Amino acid sequence: AQSVTQPDIHITVSEGASLELRCNYSYGATPYLFWYVQSPGQGLQLLLKYFSGDTLVQGIKGFEAEFKRSQSSFNLRKPSVHWSDAAEYFCAFSGTYKYIFGTGTRLKVLA
Amino acid sequence: DTAVSQTPKYLVTQMGNDKSIKCEQNLGHDTMYWYKQDSKKFLKIMFSYNNKELIINETVPNRFSPKSPDKAHLNLHINSLELGDSAVYFCASSREGLNTEAFFGQGTRLTVV
Repeated sequence: AQSVTQPDIHITVSEGASLELRCNYSYGATPYLFWYVQSPGQGLQLLLKYFSGDTLVQGIKGFEAEFKRSQSSFNLRKPSVHWSDAAEYFCAFSGTYKYIFGTGTRLKVLA
Repeated sequence: DTAVSQTPKYLVTQMGNDKSIKCEQNLGHDTMYWYKQDSKKFLKIMFSYNNKELIINETVPNRFSPKSPDKAHLNLHINSLELGDSAVYFCASSREGLNTEAFFGQGTRLTVV
């Protein structure tokens, strides 16, 4: 079955600390992968995407993600978290006429 | 200039009522979607349309009826609202194909009382 797993429901980090959010996918072929961020009361904003090529992709707001085919993973990273990064983060891949999302990881940032 | 816009942003209504949510995109995309986000933030596809044609109906009750008058609009009408319909509904659009991202509206928070 096609699915996305985000093992961490909540993550808390201190401002300035590094961050890694995990994402694993189950898909029959090479997926097209995305990370979206949802701030409270807002819609989803695309952080970055992986279609092909370099497995390390850069996104907005200083985020990056690495595609690892052998591990079926697409983890999101940021070297130094800012308080404004507190939000819900979703990993997703594109299926035929739909996007399949993980359950999300809520990031809390301590001052 | 908002890419995907939904109205209204908030909707509070009584059980049994009928309500509609409107969605418009100005990106020139061929494919539009409705997603439901439940209280646990899980995003589930409800419908997808391509060039005004229904492509996916993900086992949504018949009380939900999408309508796409043209490629730029996808509206959602809900009949006989139930408490369980309370959620945030997101409209989105994309180009056709797998290697393309979706653009989301701001969401409509529906509360059924």
